[in-house]
Amino acid sequence: SYELTQPPSVSVSPGQTASITCSGDKLGAKYACWYQLKPGQSPVLVIYQDNKRPSGIPERFSGSTSGNTATLTISGTQALDEADYYCQAWDSGTAMVFGGGTKLTVL
Amino acid sequence: EVQLVQSGAEVKKPGESLKISCKGSGYSFTTYWIGWVRQMPGKGLEWMGLIYPADSDTRYSPSFQGQVTISADKSISTAYLQWSSLKASDTAMYYCARRLDSSGYRFDYWGRGALVTVSS
Repeated sequence: SYELTQPPSVSVSPGQTASITCSGDKLGAKYACWYQLKPGQSPVLVIYQDNKRPSGIPERFSGSTSGNTATLTISGTQALDEADYYCQAWDSGTAMVFGGGTKLTVL
Repeated sequence: EVQLVQSGAEVKKPGESLKISCKGSGYSFTTYWIGWVRQMPGKGLEWMGLIYPADSDTRYSPSFQGQVTISADKSISTAYLQWSSLKASDTAMYYCARRLDSSGYRFDYWGRGALVTVSS
């Protein structure tokens, strides 16, 4: 079955840039998206189609993909960006697949 | 406004059955797949399955095939997730979400989640 691998945790200082990676076989040939999940809330789509932002998502959120890795970048990270982030892709064999999630800590 | 309204929290005993619901509004319910996603305590998101309400075509994650049943009643714009015999390990938050199929597949709208607690 298809798998997506994320680092368990990433730390960043306020105002700095946070990068969260997501690796999967031939991920660059699929469309990756990213969700933000805060405690007590529902997941929010922050990036889709590798690098597009849904309406209402701040410009500091961006995405990119290269080879087998998709990256979520948060520029000028704010305290309110502290959350768990999940990548997701679609695979013809496994259908919807989530990465294991990355806890972003804003120190 | 697109909304997915889920049924409330449930507390059940092992062996009991359960059916939770997800009612869509603000869009054409029959033209989007609805997915179910589990989050166990302290764990990540897991995709469970999908249903296309127009014809109830259903897809399951291999991890959940045979463990749950997904269904829908298009006449009332509602999708369901059910268990015939709950286990303590079914304790989790369950989200429903609308899948958008355009340049990839993603969940663009989510319900608030339904917390299911299974304990003797």
